Amino acid sequence: DSGVTQTPKHLITATGQRVTLRCSPRSGDLSVYWYQQSLDQGLQFLIQYYNGEERAKGNILERFSAQQFPDLHSELNLSSLELGDSALYFCASSRERAYNEQFFGPGTRLTVL
Amino acid sequence: AQSVTQLDSQVPVFEEAPVELRCNYSSSVSVYLFWYVQYPNQGLQLLLKYLSGSTLVKGINGFEAEFNKSQTSFHLRKPSVHISDTAEYFCAVRAGASIGYGGSQGNLIFGKGTKLSVKP
Repeated sequence: DSGVTQTPKHLITATGQRVTLRCSPRSGDLSVYWYQQSLDQGLQFLIQYYNGEERAKGNILERFSAQQFPDLHSELNLSSLELGDSALYFCASSRERAYNEQFFGPGTRLTVL
Repeated sequence: AQSVTQLDSQVPVFEEAPVELRCNYSSSVSVYLFWYVQYPNQGLQLLLKYLSGSTLVKGINGFEAEFNKSQTSFHLRKPSVHISDTAEYFCAVRAGASIGYGGSQGNLIFGKGTKLSVKP
């Protein structure tokens, strides 16, 4: 158990819909990262938040957004869903320093029908 | 820009045989390198990491990796594998990492993964 929790574990929805994925980082971790894992793209970084502020952006679509709340949990919002958004979405957290490892949650498997 | 190449997408091996999973990286700055393992239907777990110092890094479950700066490689090895090592292995480099950088940036850039299949 990494200490990072993600809900829900599975999500099945239809094209055009909007979903919210939730992540609670390990106690004391200020950074939260979101990654997407798909068969064709592999593991891709989406976005990072640090202590409530957006810190880095990767290959995140405009239809996707995220935020980190004062209690440090984070939510990833995916809207106008397309079939190609079906993937595993991982959240990871880490301490402050760049050399600290990232601890990954179990992931949310999103299926868009 | 930093990147990671895992040269083998699949590696079949018999139980108790040695294995090497290859990883090459590209970076213009000092690197922090990681190997993660993903068991079926699970998240990623850190096997080992290289930050600085000794180029031979030992990790969990009997795995080790050697950092080779001249060949820009970070290959993962295990002298004798078990059935339970069957999983997907990911090499990663920390983006924007530099010695002394005390900030909070640094997402991971992953390779495409290597599926290790251990057969009895």
